[in-house]
Amino acid sequence: GPKVLQIPSHQIIDMGQMVTLNCDPVSNHLYFYWYKQILGQQMEFLVNFYNGKVMEKSKLFKDQFSVERPDGSYFTLKIQPTALEDSAVYFCASSLDGGAGAETLYFGSGTRLTVL
Amino acid sequence: GDSVTQTEGQVALSEEDFLTIHCNYSASGYPTLFWYVQYPGEGPQLLFRASRDKEKGSSRGFEATYDKGTTSFHLRKASVQESDSAVYYCALSDHYGNEKITFGAGTKLTIKP
Repeated sequence: GPKVLQIPSHQIIDMGQMVTLNCDPVSNHLYFYWYKQILGQQMEFLVNFYNGKVMEKSKLFKDQFSVERPDGSYFTLKIQPTALEDSAVYFCASSLDGGAGAETLYFGSGTRLTVL
Repeated sequence: GDSVTQTEGQVALSEEDFLTIHCNYSASGYPTLFWYVQYPGEGPQLLFRASRDKEKGSSRGFEATYDKGTTSFHLRKASVQESDSAVYYCALSDHYGNEKITFGAGTKLTIKP
């Protein structure tokens, strides 16, 4: 089926540094999402994005977080500066339409971020 | 806000056992309900969904029926296999605004051969 690719699969950085997580969504999809999963815990919604804009964000989407998809390339999540509590697996997802009830969200395999 | 509650955090069964994972939801509107499965090292994959009361979703021998009266969407399978070992998430989409999916805490299913 359709594939969402996330690069890199693992990233280790020092606290206070900037990190960018990259997502290559399904090619004709228009809606993009980031979810955060702390080890052993549930998937938590961070943000969704359409037509160059953030549509909705959760309380977990701190001021240090930003998302963009310049010129239809990677959909990115940037954290600047990072904090210890940002350590988690970050999952990107995309869908053809924003109607999550009607359209399937396709998830990538995640990027495991470790902040030291 | 919307929420999903999965009663079982972990379930351990033997092959050919009957599986039930309980899921209850709370939502202000009329949500679409989902079951997702996550294998180690991968992102969640949609197992199936249901959008209306009494609608049954099914896939790979798993099934669940949307019950608006009891706000439930319990996952069942008559005879599990070792390959079914994974984490299962019940989830909902509320159809308001930008329709994010809200996940339950997940149930880790382990099947012993």
